[in-house]
Amino acid sequence: EAGVAQSPRYKIIEKRQSVAFWCNPISGHATLYWYQQILGQGPKLLIQFQNNGVVDDSQLPKDRFSAERLKGVDSTLKIQPAKLEDSAVYLCASSRTPRTSGQETQYFGPGTRLLVL
Amino acid sequence: DQQVKQNSPSLSVQEGRISILNCDYTNSMFDYFLWYKKYPAEGPTFLISISSIKDKNEDGRFTVFLNKSAKHLSLHIVPSQPGDSAVYFCAASSVGAGGTSYGKLTFGQGTILTVHP
Repeated sequence: EAGVAQSPRYKIIEKRQSVAFWCNPISGHATLYWYQQILGQGPKLLIQFQNNGVVDDSQLPKDRFSAERLKGVDSTLKIQPAKLEDSAVYLCASSRTPRTSGQETQYFGPGTRLLVL
Repeated sequence: DQQVKQNSPSLSVQEGRISILNCDYTNSMFDYFLWYKKYPAEGPTFLISISSIKDKNEDGRFTVFLNKSAKHLSLHIVPSQPGDSAVYFCAASSVGAGGTSYGKLTFGQGTILTVHP
């Protein structure tokens, strides 16, 4: 099966500009995640969707970050305006419908590397 | 607030020997633990997991050990191969019995493993 697709792979912008990232999860996966990975750190969850509803966005900087998942499939993550500290890799992951016990494996895309100058 | 910690930034091992990667956690609500492997310019790939009801899980050359009282887990790779050279992330989640898991993962900072031929 095809994996998680993300675009673009790389993006360089000036601070205060806006940027958008796109993610296409594995077909049939109900849950979609956006993570931010700053150099030297592990991925940090920004937002989690279950179908097209938000499950957890507690760590999303809502004054500048927004995300949507139209029709419960593709998702976009937007930053407006960008700051220098937003330089990171933005990873999208997906998993099947969560179970009442156990953990569904999250499958990650290759990520978008963002550099804010 | 680093709830999952990997205190060794890097590890160097000779081919054929054992690699031991360590991870500590502080949140006693975590009950499911995973290891992910990441190559440069790729997203993390699921490697192996363990539920808190077990203290060991084995899959081929990979074994994960969990010590709940010490809030510590380790990944053993035997024998190590040059292709195992990558960044290894420990991750944890709260699943719970009888409740719905939405699969939020908390990651450690990662350990760079280098296996020399």
